[in-house]
Amino acid sequence: QKEVEQNSGPLSVPEGAIASLNCTYSDRGSQSFFWYRQYSGKSPELIMFIYSNGDKEDGRFTAQLNKASQYVSLLIRDSQPSDSATYLCAVKRSGGYNKLIFGAGTRLAVHP
Amino acid sequence: DARVTQTPRHKVTEMGQEVTMRCQPILGHNTVFWYRQTMMQGLELLAYFRNRAPLDDSGMPKDRFSAEMPDATLATLKIQPSEPRDSAVYFCASGPDTQVNQPQHFGDGTRLSIL
Repeated sequence: QKEVEQNSGPLSVPEGAIASLNCTYSDRGSQSFFWYRQYSGKSPELIMFIYSNGDKEDGRFTAQLNKASQYVSLLIRDSQPSDSATYLCAVKRSGGYNKLIFGAGTRLAVHP
Repeated sequence: DARVTQTPRHKVTEMGQEVTMRCQPILGHNTVFWYRQTMMQGLELLAYFRNRAPLDDSGMPKDRFSAEMPDATLATLKIQPSEPRDSAVYFCASGPDTQVNQPQHFGDGTRLSIL
């Protein structure tokens, strides 16, 4: 079992819909959770991070964390074709330094 | 905007040659990470440094890869000798100190092709 699991997709949603991306992790003591967006041929770009249970909103993006169930999700409201990219979930483990474990990413395709 | 700078952006070379990739972290960031990304394996951590000291290089093939941080503004990743299976995108990322929940920021990467 991988430490951080994501569905590889592609997740296809129509423009204007809500895209829901999910991520599960195995280390129960994990502290912080990050969502990166990566366009094809580009580097990962931070979108959001969350470390408390519940929801965190930033514009059209909402990160949700449920530590009891060991999952974190990213909702994108009013999806746009420009949101089409691979979304990487990253988890900072308990203890140690600022080392992140990345999932394999979910490819999102928003079609007009 | 502060950013991580990587050079070269692209490198094509023949098998057996030495490859050196360089990274300038964001000023003030004291943790530096080297990742390799391929279609098959995704994003893999190769090595990371804190205050220029290597903390973990367990993800790196030791026989041919080496990572150093000669000063706070420069990190290097070397492959010698290079092999076709090393073809990948190599990213450097930096972050502020480790005790807070702060994200890493990535450079644009070095696209390496070994023929």
